[in-house]
Amino acid sequence: EVQLVESGGGLVKPGGSLRLSCAASGFTFRSYSMNWVRQAPGKGLEWVAYTSRSSNYIYYADSVKGRFTISKDNDRNSLYLQMNSLRAEDTAIYYCARDWVYGSGQGMDVWGQGTTVTVSS
Amino acid sequence: SYELTQPPSLSVSPGQTASITCSGDQLGNKGACWYQQKPGQSPVLVIYQDSKRPSGIPDRFSGSLSGNTATLTISGTQAVDEADYYCQAWGSSAYVFGTGTKVTVL
Repeated sequence: EVQLVESGGGLVKPGGSLRLSCAASGFTFRSYSMNWVRQAPGKGLEWVAYTSRSSNYIYYADSVKGRFTISKDNDRNSLYLQMNSLRAEDTAIYYCARDWVYGSGQGMDVWGQGTTVTVSS
Repeated sequence: SYELTQPPSLSVSPGQTASITCSGDQLGNKGACWYQQKPGQSPVLVIYQDSKRPSGIPDRFSGSLSGNTATLTISGTQAVDEADYYCQAWGSSAYVFGTGTKVTVL
């Protein structure tokens, strides 16, 4: 079964750090690009970051650029999101999502169940 | 920054057709995908490359692109189709999601 499972969410104070993980199974992880997408409470979807399959191309949303770092470990079948200098507005459910080639229009076809990040004092 | 605009909400009677639009500059040069999200669940891809359906998506879901407007059409809408729907496209180095449309089946 193709599956993505996120972990690492929790409660953190403003200015703090958190590292999210996404474990992939059931498919050849190294063959796919990956994304992090978040959803604040009661709000819509917001794309956060993208990495190509070998991490040659990495893109960030302006809202997280310089604070978040996406990384992909093809040997461990895992995707990560290092989040630093967290703000209240980063509070959201964070999803990892499988992708193909950036700009191909093939969409994010597999999503995890999400992990919740709450930034509050 | 690149923006995609959708109507906030749409009501449709069971068996009728629901059409959700997504407008954005240069969308015609990029193409669009569509996602369905039910309450408490993760998004599901329902249309990619403007009009293609992933395996397992019912054929009542269809997509089209005309000029800078993409449209998701649900024909013969069922109660199970009640959900939020998001379009998605891309810029030179960033993905963008539409504002989302809540579809209510009355």
